[in-house]
Amino acid sequence: DADVTQTPRNRITKTGKRIMLECSQTKGHDRMYWYRQDPGLGLRLIYYSFDVKDINKGEISDGYSVSRQAQAKFSLSLESAIPNQTALYFCATSGTGINTGELFFGEGSRLTVL
Amino acid sequence: GQQVMQIPQYQHVQEGEDFTTYCNSSTTLSNIQWYKQRPGGHPVFLIQLVKSGEVKKQKRLTFQFGEAKKNSSLHITATQTTDVGTYFCAGRGGSYIPTFGRGTSLIVHP
Repeated sequence: DADVTQTPRNRITKTGKRIMLECSQTKGHDRMYWYRQDPGLGLRLIYYSFDVKDINKGEISDGYSVSRQAQAKFSLSLESAIPNQTALYFCATSGTGINTGELFFGEGSRLTVL
Repeated sequence: GQQVMQIPQYQHVQEGEDFTTYCNSSTTLSNIQWYKQRPGGHPVFLIQLVKSGEVKKQKRLTFQFGEAKKNSSLHITATQTTDVGTYFCAGRGGSYIPTFGRGTSLIVHP
């Protein structure tokens, strides 16, 4: 089983719909992240959380919200999806410490907004 | 904010040729990481560099961190078809949050 699990893996939805992408991890890490990947743009940070009570915006948080339900769970929501949110979304985790922060990624959730 | 530039965006090589991708940061980094993403896959950690001037090797892959800790490179010697994928650098400044470069996609022609 994967250490970082994302659901759903693929989703097609319509403009204006609410979408939730879920992430769970078994690595025991405190730090969790949501990234968005678009061709040619690399990985851009949407939100991150250093523990259950800590939520921070990344560079492209507009139009997104998150919930850290437990240490192991971090969900990303699109309240009203729009077509330019069509992308591949990755959840990642890391340990603490600035020099111990290898990121472990989930397998990705491909979202298409029509 | 911190920016990490990575070049080239794409690189086509014949199998057996060498390949290099470069990253440059607008600010001094505490460390830099490298990841590989196979087509259709997710990024997978390769290595982390921490010290000024550090050089690390993994088989045919050589990673370097600049003396000023603002640039880094990944060099692959004698590429193979298994090296195909996108290579990302991710730099950490003082914020503990890694900033990714846009990646270099390596295409290896047999």
